[in-house]
This record gives sequence, structure tokens and C-alpha cells, in this order.
Amino acid sequence: DIQMTQSPSSLSASVGDRVTITCRASQSISMYLNWYKQTPGKAPKLLIYAASSLQSGVPLRFSGSGSGTDFTLTISSLQPEDFGIYYCQESFGSPYTFGQGTRLEIK
Amino acid sequence: QVQLQESGPGLVKPSETLSLTCTVSTASISSYYWTWIRQPPGEGLEWIAYIHYSGITNYNPSLKSRVTISADMSKKQFFLKLNSVTAADTAVYYCAGMFCSGWPRVDNWGQGILVTVSS
Repeated sequence: DIQMTQSPSSLSASVGDRVTITCRASQSISMYLNWYKQTPGKAPKLLIYAASSLQSGVPLRFSGSGSGTDFTLTISSLQPEDFGIYYCQESFGSPYTFGQGTRLEIK
Repeated sequence: QVQLQESGPGLVKPSETLSLTCTVSTASISSYYWTWIRQPPGEGLEWIAYIHYSGITNYNPSLKSRVTISADMSKKQFFLKLNSVTAADTAVYYCAGMFCSGWPRVDNWGQGILVTVSS
């Protein structure tokens, strides 16, 4: 199975900050990488697919990059509603493994 | 717009079978892999299985021996059965649609149902 490792596990940032979350795959997955955001008590929400394609309706401050084994989710200017847990997921093949999550707190 | 709704018992006894139903509201039934994902309390996400309109199924190897996914697409429903459950199977179970054209991604989720395994 492909292992997905996110860093950091948690971070705290201020409104307006630029925030970067990293996801590393244990083997090359081309651009088969999705990013989700989850808030407490809610289902995850798709933000980015195919490593860098913005899902419809997602604010432009979110962007994704990377290919192969190393990927990045960037929030260009953090907003209060961006708190939550962010997960990456490989969609290269079964079992479509998720990263362990990055908890983002707003200072 | 795809809507999904999980239903089933919220409490299952150890060693018994967990059975859930997901009812889907969409005209694009064939565009998705209909998927189950779970999340133990306070933990991360685990993909369980999917089924396609064509009948193709795919299972997480770590659960394959205990899981069956099936569907009645005429009723726009798909089902999860997980047998021989233990406390480790306590989780929020989400049904979801994984778009299967081009780059796979889970772009529609149910609200989730908490299933507790306890005697």
C-alpha cells in the first residue's frame, strides 16, 4: 500500500498569513493527489484534485502543487473560516490512502 | 447535485454484523464509484470499498475479508456489511461518491453515521 505522510501535524497561524501543508507519498503517484478540509462534526470537503485543480466553488486562495511523491497545499491569505483539519489522499489506486491530517488553528 | 444519506443502526454488538444503507439522489449514477469511508472518533479517514454501477467492486485489503459492498441501483441504494465487528470498528461511516472519470476524487459525501460497537 502507498503511505501518505503529512507535515506538520498541527499549526497555528494568523489571519492573512500564507500557510503551507506538505504531503509525501511513499512511491510515485504522478498527480493523483486530492486535498480535503474537515471541520468538527462535518464530512470532509474536496478542495483540490489532480494535485492542482481547484474544485468548483473553492476560494482562489487555495492552491495545490506537486507531482510524483511531494505535494503542497497553500492558503495564500488565511481566513477565519479556514480552521479545521486538512487531509491529503492518493487516488492512484486502492486503498486510496489518506494522510493522517494537519490540524490548522487560527491564532 | 448529488445527495447521499446513510441509514442503519447506531449500535452493534461485538462479533455481529454492521449493516448500513446509503441512498443516493443523482441523475449521474454511472459517473461515480459509490464508496464507503470511515473515521474512528478523533482519528483519520479510512477508505473501505467502492462499487460501480457496472457491478465492479474494490475493497481495502485490510478489511476485505470482513466487508461486502453491494447495490440496488434501481433504487439508487448501496450497502455495506462488515462482519465480526469489534470495538475497533467504532467509527463515523460516510457514504460518498468518488468521481470516476479522469482524476478520481471524492466530491460528494453523506453527513455520516456514528456506529458504536459495544455490548
